[in-house]
Amino acid sequence: AQKITQTQPGMFVQEKEAVTLDCTYDTSDPSYGLFWYKQPSSGEMIFLIYQGSYDQQNATEGRYSLNFQKARKSANLVISASQLGDSAMYFCAMRGNQAGTALIFGKGTTLSVSS
Amino acid sequence: DAGVIQSPRHEVTEMGQEVTLRCKPISGHNSLFWYRQTMMRGLELLIYFNNNVPIDDSGMPEDRFSAKMPNASFSTLKIQPSEPRDSAVYFCASSPTVKRNTIYFGEGSWLTVV
Repeated sequence: AQKITQTQPGMFVQEKEAVTLDCTYDTSDPSYGLFWYKQPSSGEMIFLIYQGSYDQQNATEGRYSLNFQKARKSANLVISASQLGDSAMYFCAMRGNQAGTALIFGKGTTLSVSS
Repeated sequence: DAGVIQSPRHEVTEMGQEVTLRCKPISGHNSLFWYRQTMMRGLELLIYFNNNVPIDDSGMPEDRFSAKMPNASFSTLKIQPSEPRDSAVYFCASSPTVKRNTIYFGEGSWLTVV
C-alpha cells in the first residue's frame, strides 16, 4: 500500500525567504511519481511539480523545486523567494507509474507568508 | 482547452435527499477520479474509472454512494439518502491514461447536508 506523510501542519515564512515543506512516502511499487499541489483559500487544486522515481535530476518549475531523496523516501518541496500569494495549503501526492492509477495524498501543510 | 467542469459548485440539501454531482473531464483524458475533502480526513479517493470502467471503488464510504460514467465525457456521483456527515468538497479530476501524467482537478462541488 502507498502512504504519504506530511508532518508539518503549518509553516510560517517571511516574504522573500525560502521554505521547505516536508514529505515522506512509502510504497512497494518499483516505479512511481511524486507530485505537489497547491490549494489556495478559494479551494481549487493547482498542480505545481512532478518527480519521477527514476528521474536522475531533481525537478524544478520556476520558484518550485523538489528535493528528491529516494533512499530516504522523501520528496520535499522547496519554494524560493516566497511571495504573499504562496499562502495556501500544500499537498504532497504519489501515483504508481502503471497507466491509469490514482493519486494518493498526504494531509497537507498550511503555509503562511507574511510581509 | 476547457478544464474539468463540475456542477453544481455549491449545494445545500436536507438530510435524506438525493444529491447528484456531475463532472465533465478534459477531452481526451481516459481516467476520471472522484475525491472527497474534509477537514478531518483530508483528501480521500472515492472511486476512479479508466476508459469509463470503474477500476477501484474501495474508497466509496457505503452503499449510499454510487458513481457512474456512461460515456467518456460525463460522470456522476450520487448520494442517496444524504446525511450531514456527507458534507464535504467533492472533487472530480481527470488524466490521460499514460505514465508520467498528472491529474487535473475541477473546482470542486461544495456540499452541505443539513
